[in-house]
Amino acid sequence: DGGITQSPKYLFRKEGQNVTLSCEQNLNHDAMYWYRQDPGQGLRLIYYSQIVNDFQKGDIAEGYSVSREKKESFPLTVTSAQKNPTAFYLCASSISGVDGYTFGSGTRLTVV
Amino acid sequence: KQEVTQIPAALSVPEGENLVLNCSFTDSAIYNLQWFRQDPGKGLTSLLLIQSSQREQTSGRLNASLDKSSGRSTLYIAASQPGDSATYLCAVRASGSRLTFGEGTQLTVNP
Repeated sequence: DGGITQSPKYLFRKEGQNVTLSCEQNLNHDAMYWYRQDPGQGLRLIYYSQIVNDFQKGDIAEGYSVSREKKESFPLTVTSAQKNPTAFYLCASSISGVDGYTFGSGTRLTVV
Repeated sequence: KQEVTQIPAALSVPEGENLVLNCSFTDSAIYNLQWFRQDPGKGLTSLLLIQSSQREQTSGRLNASLDKSSGRSTLYIAASQPGDSATYLCAVRASGSRLTFGEGTQLTVNP
């Protein structure tokens, strides 16, 4: 079945460590996105990529980095520079243009 | 900057009731509007996608309407069931490929 796979489902990080969240899709979608969800704040865009080897900052990119070496994969690294990384992270994809989005099941990151 | 507002923030209804969730957006130059459902601790499930040229979309007991000129959309749920309990999110797609989300309506349907 086509879809988006995010892993791991739960992730714990010690302060000062970098961690990488995985996002893989087999929908042949061109565009991929990372959102962060916090209680009472809705979803906020971190980074997005419309094509391989190209990506743009969203509204809250500080402390995060991404890569897009393959069409299917868009990993997100949460660096030690991110001051408040504990949140629910959602990856999504779409066919560039006017298509709808498809979301993964999310990764819950907790800093311990 | 596009802003999306959803009213009410929370809603509790008895089973069987018909209900309406509201979504408004500030910039009417949109490509489409999408309604999602989110269960606690889960990802988003797409319910309905309305293109800017369309007025409504229907799927089963769900009907979504779009009035682009006034910046409004409604999600109508007929004959609500306890399994409909979830948070419902509205999102608009404007310039580029970015989605802007509302903060959601948390729906509880009581047996």
